[in-house]
Amino acid sequence: AQSVTQLDSHVSVSEGTPVLLRCNYSSSYSPSLFWYVQHPNKGLQLLLKYTSAATLVKGINGFEAEFKKSETSFHLTKPSAHMSDAAEYFCVVSDGGSQGNLIFGKGTKLSVKP
Amino acid sequence: KAGVTQTPRYLIKTRGQQVTLSCSPISGHRSVSWYQQTPGQGLQFLFEYFSETQRNKGNFPGRFSGRQFSNSRSEMNVSTLELGDSALYLCASSLAGGSSKTDTQYFGPGTRLTVL
Repeated sequence: AQSVTQLDSHVSVSEGTPVLLRCNYSSSYSPSLFWYVQHPNKGLQLLLKYTSAATLVKGINGFEAEFKKSETSFHLTKPSAHMSDAAEYFCVVSDGGSQGNLIFGKGTKLSVKP
Repeated sequence: KAGVTQTPRYLIKTRGQQVTLSCSPISGHRSVSWYQQTPGQGLQFLFEYFSETQRNKGNFPGRFSGRQFSNSRSEMNVSTLELGDSALYLCASSLAGGSSKTDTQYFGPGTRLTVL
């Protein structure tokens, strides 16, 4: 069965410093992996997705993630945090097939200090 | 292109009542999935509809049901509401849905249901 583990429930950074949100996955198949962001009282917005093409995936708003099969990781990074990045981030796995739904991590709340 | 829309955005009901939530997918998308988001359980998959047929179902009781119309719009119904049903209900649409692991789901803003 597929699963994702977000290693930090809360990350706090200062504006202008790098962001690292960690995610490990478990999947019996070659998975697709996604990062979604949720701002307060809003729906989920797709940041980026990995679908077995390039292992380094670039997303919106300067975010990127690297798929590392040997480490079963898909960490999200951004070189320089902005105040508007404060939100909750979800790592998500999908393997299609008979299950065909998204499996969400518990989320990481990112705080950005001025 | 307009995004996924959900109505109503907020809803207050009392225990024992039933509720119907609506979701209009992105034009051209045939798959609609529903998720429940609570502080304790996080985001959990409810079910997916594709071409008016329920294709996948999560681990929720039969009080939770849904349907999809020929224009791909979907409704979700919860009968005999319980306090624990208070949650943000999110709808997502995609082209192919669960049959394609590379497909991307686009989410609506959600309906906030409060059960008193």
